[in-house]
Amino acid sequence: EPEVTQTPSHQVTQMGQEVILRCVPISNHLYFYWYRQILGQKVEFLVSFYNNEISEKSEIFDDQFSVERPDGSNFTLKIRSTKLEDSAMYFCASSQGWDNSPLHFGNGTRLTVT
Amino acid sequence: SQELEQSPQSLIVQEGKNLTINCTSSKTLYGLYWYKQKYGEGLIFLMMLQKGGEEKSHEKITAKLDEKKQQSSLHITASQPSHAGIYLCGADTGNTGKLIFGQGTTLQVKP
Repeated sequence: EPEVTQTPSHQVTQMGQEVILRCVPISNHLYFYWYRQILGQKVEFLVSFYNNEISEKSEIFDDQFSVERPDGSNFTLKIRSTKLEDSAMYFCASSQGWDNSPLHFGNGTRLTVT
Repeated sequence: SQELEQSPQSLIVQEGKNLTINCTSSKTLYGLYWYKQKYGEGLIFLMMLQKGGEEKSHEKITAKLDEKKQQSSLHITASQPSHAGIYLCGADTGNTGKLIFGQGTTLQVKP
């Protein structure tokens, strides 16, 4: 069964450094998402992406965050200057459509900012 | 803004017992999704409900959405250790594909 894959599974970085989290969505999906889950808290929406542009973003997704689909398969989340509070599990998800289509999630990247 | 509240927060049951997890929304749901998460791993899609009164089953798991589309339940029959994990309900906030999630219900099944 096709699945969403994320790399790396763990990333440790120092405060102020840039990180790029990578995702390969399911191949025939058209909508892509990033969510995050801070330890012990709810899964939170960050951003949705369709047709090479951001469809919607949350208040969390400020100027330090950006997303890109650099080629036909990868979908990336960049954090320009990481802060301690960016430490979380970051999940990529994809869906065929926005209506009647469930989101399929990757296994996540655990980001630790020291 | 829409909020989802799950109950109970955690549950420990003996293998073979039935159990129910509830998810209540502060607003009418466009779509309600159930996911299962193992600690430190991704969310596995279980079921999606969209119509009031809808009920879906997969193996020993049944999910229902009430007529008013503000509450959903997930019922597991004859629980097994493989059912252990964190169950999350997610709501589509306006047919946009963006989901908000409940805080999760942690289920332990004792052999």
